[in-house]
Amino acid sequence: ELKVEQNPLFLSMQEGKNYTIYCNYSTTSDRLYWYRQDPGKSLESLFVLLSNGAVKQEGRLMASLDTKARLSTLHITAAVHDLSATYFCAVAPSGTYKYIFGTGTRLKVLA
Amino acid sequence: EPEVTQTPSHQVTQMGQEVILRCVPISNHLYFYWYRQILGQKVEFLVSFYNNEISEKSEIFDDQFSVERPDGSNFTLKIRSTKLEDSAMYFCASSEAPGQGATGTFGSGTRLTVV
Repeated sequence: ELKVEQNPLFLSMQEGKNYTIYCNYSTTSDRLYWYRQDPGKSLESLFVLLSNGAVKQEGRLMASLDTKARLSTLHITAAVHDLSATYFCAVAPSGTYKYIFGTGTRLKVLA
Repeated sequence: EPEVTQTPSHQVTQMGQEVILRCVPISNHLYFYWYRQILGQKVEFLVSFYNNEISEKSEIFDDQFSVERPDGSNFTLKIRSTKLEDSAMYFCASSEAPGQGATGTFGSGTRLTVV
């Protein structure tokens, strides 16, 4: 059974600092997604990563995928308060659309 | 921008009652999904639906759950006899034709409270 683990679970960081969230998964997948969720809100799609070595960037967020290591990272550059949210990675095993979500990383950016 | 619409936003029901959660997916999407999120926890896959039948389901999606696309626009999740542990936020999502780039668009959710 596919397992998806994120770390850290909680992250409190100062504005202007950099940090990385990690997403490990346990079986072969050809698609990895990152979502953002604000408190009490729905999930907003951030990135989809499809191949080994894929890197996507949007603003202060950059996501990468290493399929050999079964690892994705979400890197935050020069954090700002507006990035405070919970970030989820989600993986679908090859050949399925059964997205399995990670545990989530609750990010709080302190002014 | 196209949206996935869910109704109601909040439903309170007595234990043992049936509830139907409704979703209107994005019109040109072909894959539909239900997920749930117990408060403060991770998002859990329930079921995917394509071409008028269930494609995949999780172990959570037992006999008390069913899905239906009763017409060309709605996609519903029925819980036959609700239990206290069914209290959660239920998200509907839809995506385009099968393809690696297809990302799910999520609705705003229905908060189900079973009392």
